Amino acid sequence: RKEVEQDPGPFNVPEGATVAFNCTYSNSASQSFFWYRQDCRKEPKLLMSVYSSGNEDGRFTAQLNRASQYISLLIRDSKLSDSATYLCVFYSGGGADGLTFGKGTHLIIQP
Amino acid sequence: DGGITQSPKYLFRKEGQNVTLSCEQNLNHDAMYWYRQDPGQGLRLIYYSQIVNDFQKGDIAEGYSVSREKKESFPLTVTSAQKNPTAFYLCASSIDLGRNYGYTFGSGTRLTVV
Repeated sequence: RKEVEQDPGPFNVPEGATVAFNCTYSNSASQSFFWYRQDCRKEPKLLMSVYSSGNEDGRFTAQLNRASQYISLLIRDSKLSDSATYLCVFYSGGGADGLTFGKGTHLIIQP
Repeated sequence: DGGITQSPKYLFRKEGQNVTLSCEQNLNHDAMYWYRQDPGQGLRLIYYSQIVNDFQKGDIAEGYSVSREKKESFPLTVTSAQKNPTAFYLCASSIDLGRNYGYTFGSGTRLTVV
């Protein structure tokens, strides 16, 4: 079983719609979680951390379900500028090499 | 402003040549990382360093070498032993191995073998 699984997409969504995608992880010892955004031919940038109680940042909502071992990202009122690849990332501790990155979900917002 | 700087942005290498990619940070982070990303693929860890004068191999270290003589600098050398070096190379740093604050990435170096 892969450590982290994301649907690669692409998800084609009309502007203004709400879109959500999940990421499952296999290591139950995972301690902290993040969503990163990566634009085409650019570096990944931290979008938001994911807290146990769920958290919101403007149009973005992140949630964690430890029982089912997945995190989710919901984007409301999507904008053309939201088009990017969204990487699921987690920290499991123990190892010295830090974070584990998913391969990303490609989102395309269409006018 | 604090940040992490990679240079050059684009690099062309002839087959059989060694090249060195620069990564410098002024964030006072202890840990630094090198990743490789191929088109449409995820990040793959090449090397990482938790402290000056110490570094560890990642998942795909063959054909690469690094040094960590200063806290601020973590250069990556792509040697002639790396058979398929064309890729996007990303350097990152973290204050706490990513546990609470994640990683900060540089803007990357795009290496092409000609």
